[in-house]
Order: sequence, then structure tokens, then C-alpha cells
Amino acid sequence: KQEVTQIPAALSVPEGENLVLNCSFTDSAIYNLQWFRQDPGKGLTSLLLIQSSQREQTSGRLNASLDKSSGRSTLYIAASQPGDSATYLCAVRGGYQKVTFGTGTKLQVIP
Amino acid sequence: GAGVSQSPSNKVTEKGKDVELRCDPISGHTALYWYRQSLGQGLEFLIYFQGNSAPDKSGLPSDRFSAERTGGSVSTLTIQRTQQEDSAVYLCASSRARGTETQYFGPGTRLLVL
Repeated sequence: KQEVTQIPAALSVPEGENLVLNCSFTDSAIYNLQWFRQDPGKGLTSLLLIQSSQREQTSGRLNASLDKSSGRSTLYIAASQPGDSATYLCAVRGGYQKVTFGTGTKLQVIP
Repeated sequence: GAGVSQSPSNKVTEKGKDVELRCDPISGHTALYWYRQSLGQGLEFLIYFQGNSAPDKSGLPSDRFSAERTGGSVSTLTIQRTQQEDSAVYLCASSRARGTETQYFGPGTRLLVL
């Protein structure tokens, strides 16, 4: 059974700081990994999708890496802004298209 | 519409009643997913559709839960004889194709079972 862990569970940083969110998974037989953000009371917004054959994806200030063999992914946020405050979730897609989500990292960026 | 829509946005029901939740995926998206997010819990995968078929229903929590999709578009998640532990936000997502595509999520249906 796939298990996805995100560390830290919560993070508070001053505006402008660069930060790294971690995601680890137990079964490396995945098709892809996706990072989302979830704002309070709202649905999920896709940030980046990394296929199993890829090592990283970039979008603006966000960079996500994937090391499938070690079961790890990181989401790097550069020059954090208060608008980045949200819960960040990683999700891995495995067999039968089953998607397993991590428990999330709640990020607060302090102005 | 441009995104995934779900209805109702909120549903309050009494224990033992049946409820039906609806998901309208993005037009042209062949893959559709249902998830559940309970208070303080992570997202739990329920079921996946490719077209009208669901190859794996093992994620459904109990036999009170069922889902169907017709015409390769709208999907309904039905919960029979609701229990208080069914209270959660039910999220639907769709993607263009199976396997490799980005999932786009709807706003969810908040279900409260009294």
C-alpha cells in the first residue's frame, strides 16, 4: 500500500525567503507525481505535474523535483510571498490510476 | 463551463437518508476521479472512471457507496443510509486522459450528516 508523507506539517517563514517542501512515498512504482495547493474552504489547484520519467518541472517561482528511486519529491518556492500561504499537497499516481495524497504542509508566509 | 463543477455545494442530511452528489467534468476530459476529505484528514481516493467504466472500485469505503458515469461526462456519487462518519468534503477531479495528465479539481461538496 502506497504511503505518502509530507514534512514539515506546518511551516511559517518571513516574506522573501526561499523554502523547500518535502514529499516522500513508499512505493516507487508510480506514473507521476503532482503538487497542489489548497486554500481554506476551496478546492485544489494544480501547481506542477512530474511524470515518472522526468526529474523536475518548473513554473514561475516554483520548481518541483522527483527522485523516483528514493521515493522523494521536493517543491521549491523562491522568494515567498504572503499569497503563497496555503496548504500544499503532493499526490502520487500508481497502478489502476489510484492516486494517493500526502497529508499536506500548511505554509504561512508572514509579511 | 471552463472548470469542473460540483453540486450541491453543501448538503445537510439526516442519518439514514440517501444522498446523491454530482460532478460535471471539464468538457472533453475522459478521466474522472472522486475523493473524500474528512476534517483533519488527508484526501482519500474513492474511485476513478475512464469513460463510463471504473476499473477499480476498491477505494469505496463501504457498499453503501456507489458511483456511476454516463455518456462519458457527468458522474454521480451516491451514498445510501448515510452515517455521521460520512460527513466530509467530496471532491471530484477530471483529466484529459488516463495516467499522465494533470487533474483539475472541482470546488467540492460539503456533506454533513446529522
